[in-house]
Amino acid sequence: KQEVTQIPAALSVPEGENLVLNCSFTDSAIYNLQWFRQDPGKGLTSLLLIQSSQREQTSGRLNASLDKSSGRSTLYIAASQPGDSATYLCAVLDTDKLIFGTGTRLQVFP
Amino acid sequence: DAGVIQSPRHEVTEMGQEVTLRCKPISGHNSLFWYRQTMMRGLELLIYFNNNVPIDDSGMPEDRFSAKMPNASFSTLKIQPSEPRDSAVYFCASSRDSRGAFFGQGTRLTVV
Repeated sequence: KQEVTQIPAALSVPEGENLVLNCSFTDSAIYNLQWFRQDPGKGLTSLLLIQSSQREQTSGRLNASLDKSSGRSTLYIAASQPGDSATYLCAVLDTDKLIFGTGTRLQVFP
Repeated sequence: DAGVIQSPRHEVTEMGQEVTLRCKPISGHNSLFWYRQTMMRGLELLIYFNNNVPIDDSGMPEDRFSAKMPNASFSTLKIQPSEPRDSAVYFCASSRDSRGAFFGQGTRLTVV
């Protein structure tokens, strides 16, 4: 059974720091991995999608990497801003199921 | 495209009443997912459909929960009878093959 874990569960950093969020999964037979952002009381917004054949994807200050063999993905946020404060979730597409980690709650303070 | 559309956005109902949540997926998407989110358990996959066919409903908590997808543009999640512990945010998401999932804004359900 696929299990997805995210560490740390919470993170508080000053504005301007570069930071890394981690996601690990137990079964490497995935189709893709997707990173989402969720603001309080809101839905999930897709940030980056990495297909199983890819190693990384970039969008602006965000960079996500995927290492299927080790069952890991990282989301790198460069030059963090207070507007980045949210919960970040990773999800793997396993056969037809989209399975989520528990998320990392990020707070960036001025 | 307007994205995944869920209705209602908020629902408050009394214990024992029937609740129906609705979802319109993105046009052209062939998979649809229903999730429930709570503080205690995070995001739980309840059921998903592929080409309108239920593939896996092992996440549906009890027989009180049922879901249908009568066509490619509409799905419902029904709870009958509702209980206070069903209070949560229910999300619908859709995707096309392995091209990434897109979520609706969710329905916040409160059962009193």
